[in-house]
Amino acid sequence: VYLVESGGGVVQPGKSLRLSCAASGFTFSSYSLNWVRQAPGRGLEWLALISFDGSDEFYADSVKGRFTISRDNSKNTLFLQLNSLRIEDTAVYYCAREGITVAVGAFDVWGHGTVVTVSS
Amino acid sequence: DIQMTQSPSSLSASVGDRVTITCQASQDIKNYLNWYQQKPGKAPRLLIYDASNLESGVPSRFSGSGSGTHFTFTITSLQPEDFATYYCQQYDVLPPYTFGQGTKLDIK
Repeated sequence: VYLVESGGGVVQPGKSLRLSCAASGFTFSSYSLNWVRQAPGRGLEWLALISFDGSDEFYADSVKGRFTISRDNSKNTLFLQLNSLRIEDTAVYYCAREGITVAVGAFDVWGHGTVVTVSS
Repeated sequence: DIQMTQSPSSLSASVGDRVTITCQASQDIKNYLNWYQQKPGKAPRLLIYDASNLESGVPSRFSGSGSGTHFTFTITSLQPEDFATYYCQQYDVLPPYTFGQGTKLDIK
């Protein structure tokens, strides 16, 4: 069971970036998925959730209206579109699988993270 | 939104010690509370879900308890590999989900 993020990098304030999370080893289309970030030296911050079929999305207030979560179940891939980036969006971004039947609401599989640096 | 207050923020202990971390929710979250371990440069790892259930493969020296607004996480007989940062996380009925601020556990 794997989640592998990609797409991070250095970007100027106000610009956009698209993160991807490729999944393998499980039935991707059965699971809700999340994005969680961690700013340097800080704690974990939940950002967004998308339901197993993509019909529902939820966001933290800090990113609502700027970030968009989506998924392509035919390609076993999760995305996070980051728009209007700010210095304070600098962080490691993790994708995380949410449990089903057991550990619902818990993040039982995590990717290794991808680093986003917002700097002029 | 539900706020999680985790304490202490840091803790020093020795191998073999018993340590306890607490998490307080700003409103009743029943048992919708999970605990994670994170080591430097690594992704978090789920240890306990639904307040008291041990995730598969997690050693039995880790345990959790509580319901409503007050939760505790305990490690009995600390091992060298347990020195890490620990987070609680609530998930209530719908998002937003929130994490506690974290507890850094280091060697005394």
